[in-house]
Amino acid sequence: QQQVKQSPQSLIVQKGGISIINCAYENTAFDYFPWYQQFPGKGPALLIAIRPDVSEKKEGRFTISFNKSAKQFSLHIMDSQPGDSATYFCAALGNQAGTALIFGKGTTLSVSS
Amino acid sequence: KAGVTQTPRYLIKTRGQQVTLSCSPISGHRSVSWYQQTPGQGLQFLFEYFSETQRNKGNFPGRFSGRQFSNSRSEMNVSTLELGDSALYLCASSLDGLNSPLHFGNGTRLTVT
Repeated sequence: QQQVKQSPQSLIVQKGGISIINCAYENTAFDYFPWYQQFPGKGPALLIAIRPDVSEKKEGRFTISFNKSAKQFSLHIMDSQPGDSATYFCAALGNQAGTALIFGKGTTLSVSS
Repeated sequence: KAGVTQTPRYLIKTRGQQVTLSCSPISGHRSVSWYQQTPGQGLQFLFEYFSETQRNKGNFPGRFSGRQFSNSRSEMNVSTLELGDSALYLCASSLDGLNSPLHFGNGTRLTVT
């Protein structure tokens, strides 16, 4: 019940295309869903996050879509660029202080030029 | 504002030794969490500290311990190192560990030989 399932494991997209990464969760106590971007040799960096009271959040080329009834959320990267090539992690956080951030296994995105 | 700082960046230790990793959170952040990242298991929660108190602990053996000081800086200790402890250890800080986002450092790469 604590798992966050992420797919696909890897993704190759052409420059200018749309990258879509999907995540699913079971625990209804989760109420904060961030996405992190990680480059080799660096720690994960917060990209965008959403709470269950909204169905979509957009920041620049990055959009989170959230389906509370299906317990699924996804990251869309519009106009994908070679600089977006990185590993992306979805995550979920519960609503109690000190709760652990539960991560998906990650998606390695390669954007070809 | 300076980010989360972790030292050292790299460590090589021998089986049976112990190691201490250090983390300086973002100024003003009182919550510090530690995560272990490996290719096989992904990002796994170790523990979280807030105001010098451990609020939550992940499913790791007692060889893994931590502490937080009054200035919010944190240390993590691993005793009796095993080969399987080789990993990237990430520290993350947030304002309160509840309603504010987690910001990660670039980690300490521990290699156990």
